[in-house]
Amino acid sequence: QVTLRESGPALVRPTQTLTLTCTFSGFSLTTSGVCVSWVRQPPGKALEWLARIDWDDDKTYNTSLKTRLTISMDTSKNQVVLRMTNMDHVDTGTYFCARTSYDIVSGSYTFLDFWGQGALVTVSS
Amino acid sequence: SYVLTQPPSVSVAPGQTARITCGGNKIENKNVYWYQQRPGQAPVLVIYYSTDRPSGIPDRFSGSNSGNTATLTISRLEAGDEADYYCQVWDGDSDNCVFGSGTQVTVL
Repeated sequence: QVTLRESGPALVRPTQTLTLTCTFSGFSLTTSGVCVSWVRQPPGKALEWLARIDWDDDKTYNTSLKTRLTISMDTSKNQVVLRMTNMDHVDTGTYFCARTSYDIVSGSYTFLDFWGQGALVTVSS
Repeated sequence: SYVLTQPPSVSVAPGQTARITCGGNKIENKNVYWYQQRPGQAPVLVIYYSTDRPSGIPDRFSGSNSGNTATLTISRLEAGDEADYYCQVWDGDSDNCVFGSGTQVTVL
């Protein structure tokens, strides 16, 4: 059974750094083709992909946010951590982590098939 | 960057068919994924590789992809299908995951 759970602060002050942890079970991030993505959703708005870390520790960031993002993994703890610097009110929203698959045969990333329930983060002074 | 365009809303009577479009440049050359998101919940994958259904998803859900438009079709619409639906692709140039703007489906 695959599960993911996001954890982190519910409230962050402007200019501070947000650190979120995704703790997962039911799969291993050392298995070829397995990745984890972070996705966020401002209240009432659309999904926005933030970053991805792959089984081989390769990392990819949203082109528009890459200067503020850092993703890392701890395979011994089955955790993926996302850091976002210089938080602003517009960063308020629900942050999800999701298992992401890479099709080794075709050489392409595919679907986000299991998601955590999300963590609501409010940026306010 | 690659852009996906969806209509903001679709309203259909129960038992009828809802069609949700996702426009993108030569999207037929990409694999398209569709997610259902009910209020307050995480997204759920309902279509992958443009036309395939994960196990547990009713066969009322189907997908197609041609030219510059991918389509999610929900047949025999039920009240429980009310949700936001998002299409998703990967932008090969940036290696970024791209979501559409989302479509709210209302069952009249």
